Amino acid sequence: SQTIHQWPATLVQPVGSPLSLECTVEGTSNPNLYWYRQAAGRGLQLLFYSVGIGQISSEVPQNLSASRPQDRQFILSSKKLLLSDSGFYLCAWSPWGGKETQYFGPGTRLLVL
Amino acid sequence: GESVGLHLPTLSVQEGDNSIINCAYSNSASDYFIWYKQESGKGPQFIIDIRSNMDKRQGQRVTVLLNKTVKHLSLQIAATQPGDSAVYFCAENRETSYDKVIFGPGTSLSVIP
Repeated sequence: SQTIHQWPATLVQPVGSPLSLECTVEGTSNPNLYWYRQAAGRGLQLLFYSVGIGQISSEVPQNLSASRPQDRQFILSSKKLLLSDSGFYLCAWSPWGGKETQYFGPGTRLLVL
Repeated sequence: GESVGLHLPTLSVQEGDNSIINCAYSNSASDYFIWYKQESGKGPQFIIDIRSNMDKRQGQRVTVLLNKTVKHLSLQIAATQPGDSAVYFCAENRETSYDKVIFGPGTSLSVIP
């Protein structure tokens, strides 16, 4: 069966510091991968998605970037965090190619102070 | 557009009653719809899905209804239990140049014991 992992689970970072959140998927190949952000009490905002290694599409202009160095690894990064980057970050995967359900990881709660 | 900036609507239901959560979608080209449940501090979990060639699909205690004429989706939960308390998101998959799931703003369901 497939599983998706995210770490760290929680993170407190000062403004201006760098960020690296990692997401890995097990039990599948060539997944579509996604990064979402969720502000408290709000819906999901798609940040990035990837259909393959090195292929990243950005949905909104922002202070963040994403990379996919391996088939089942998706990384969310920032060189300098802003207060507005605080939120709940969710990674998700879906089977390649079709209109299929996205499966979410447990999320990382980021607080920028 | 995506409703990621809206505060969540809420629904309070007495334990044992049936719950109905509604969702409107905007793109008549959407042909795949999913309901997710998100408990506090966790990632969304898949509940049930439906394709546009159907108007009703049933799962365990849940039923999804699709009305393509008015672009409306609903999730019915039978005999609501305290464990059903969560935020519920509908999502649509649009026929664009890539597969991307668009999430609705979510509804917070509170079950009163």
